[in-house]
Amino acid sequence: SAVISQKPSRDICQRGTSLTIQCQVDSQVTMMFWYRQQPGQSLTLIATANQGSEATYESGFVIDKFPISRPNLTFSTLTVSNMSPEDSSIYLCSVSRTAPAYEQYFGPGTRLTVT
Amino acid sequence: QKEVEQDPGPLSVPEGAIVSLNCTYSNSAFQYFMWYRQYSRKGPELLMYTYSSGNKEDGRFTAQVDKSSKYISLFIRDSQPSDSATYLCAMEANYNQGGKLIFGQGTELSVKP
Repeated sequence: SAVISQKPSRDICQRGTSLTIQCQVDSQVTMMFWYRQQPGQSLTLIATANQGSEATYESGFVIDKFPISRPNLTFSTLTVSNMSPEDSSIYLCSVSRTAPAYEQYFGPGTRLTVT
Repeated sequence: QKEVEQDPGPLSVPEGAIVSLNCTYSNSAFQYFMWYRQYSRKGPELLMYTYSSGNKEDGRFTAQVDKSSKYISLFIRDSQPSDSATYLCAMEANYNQGGKLIFGQGTELSVKP
């Protein structure tokens, strides 16, 4: 398993601003992912954070809106840019040491409310 | 049609009951089948995973995969109030580049003492 922390745990932001969420893992991992969980919905993969290169985004998610960094094997950030109320959601990072990444471990999540 | 369908519940059972949670899927390429448990205001926690068809048991939990019917189940025996949570099924195809998890909507379970 892995111990994963996320900062902030929650935030309330104004429309049009940006928020950067941090994900820290207690040991090096191969793969890191960012998910969104909207109220009453399941988890949707936003992107795979690649160490040393651009993230791989899923359909419907773009780098300008959700820029991601991964400077090393234990840390990643997700920025939610130019926020609107529709971005209100829980954002989760997960990690995996397996490929395929069937065994993923999740952080506690960041609860974002956009007003 | 969603790739993974899961009855959102909520499901309420008395303590000690046997719980059956189910998911259906449409993509025959899925090879790995996972069950996650998510407590309120927490991240999902991996319970079990199964590769291809068959059964897997871990304590009070049993996972079943029927690839011919594209149907997976999680059984919880002797359910406890501490089992009250949302249970999410997830699936992954065995892509070389790592694939991605496709989650069901989650079933909210409440076990009453």
